[in-house]
Amino acid sequence: DAGITQSPRHKVTETGTPVTLRCHQTENHRYMYWYRQDPGHGLRLIHYSYGVKDTDKGEVSDGYSVSRSKTEDFLLTLESATSSQTSVYFCAISDTGKGGNTIYFGEGSWLTVV
Amino acid sequence: GQQLNQSPQSMFIQEGEDVSMNCTSSSIFNTWLWYKQDPGEGPVLLIALYKAGELTSNGRLTAQFGITRKDSFLNISASIPSDVGIYFCAGEPSSGNTGKLIFGQGTTLQVKP
Repeated sequence: DAGITQSPRHKVTETGTPVTLRCHQTENHRYMYWYRQDPGHGLRLIHYSYGVKDTDKGEVSDGYSVSRSKTEDFLLTLESATSSQTSVYFCAISDTGKGGNTIYFGEGSWLTVV
Repeated sequence: GQQLNQSPQSMFIQEGEDVSMNCTSSSIFNTWLWYKQDPGEGPVLLIALYKAGELTSNGRLTAQFGITRKDSFLNISASIPSDVGIYFCAGEPSSGNTGKLIFGQGTTLQVKP
């Protein structure tokens, strides 16, 4: 258990509305990530953070923004949700204390945009 | 984006049989990770590998970091029904140290009791 909590776990929202997903970790890890998982595409990196207020884009960052004002929280925001953003979103952290970067995932947030 | 070549894509085996799956890449990796994902849940880490040639076991699971640093395999011995799920490999390219992973497409395992 890497101490990762995602909220909400399930959400249905309307096209054009803003949505924020929250990832909370309890073990003070520096690196945090947001992935989305879709059939046929596997897991794809949206954004990641390497410290408070330090973030960078991943492979599929268009339409998403992130913020990290505290070590323990990493927020993913869909400014204006579209149907193509219907997906499962996973937060992850990196534990660097075992010889390399070991990535642990949260339980996921299921988002449906109607 | 870049992906790892994971095979086989799916397997349907009898309970008690051994299973083997592998991932290959054209690039060198620093780390290989193997995950299992059940429906409705997040990927759960099974085994982490950090050095070329490293062979690591976790119960009935054994994984190896290839000598060339471009491949890894996962073996499951004496499969049981609860082994059903999707298995993913993931690697961290040697070009970075940010924990950004590249994933395989997954191997779907079904076990017949």
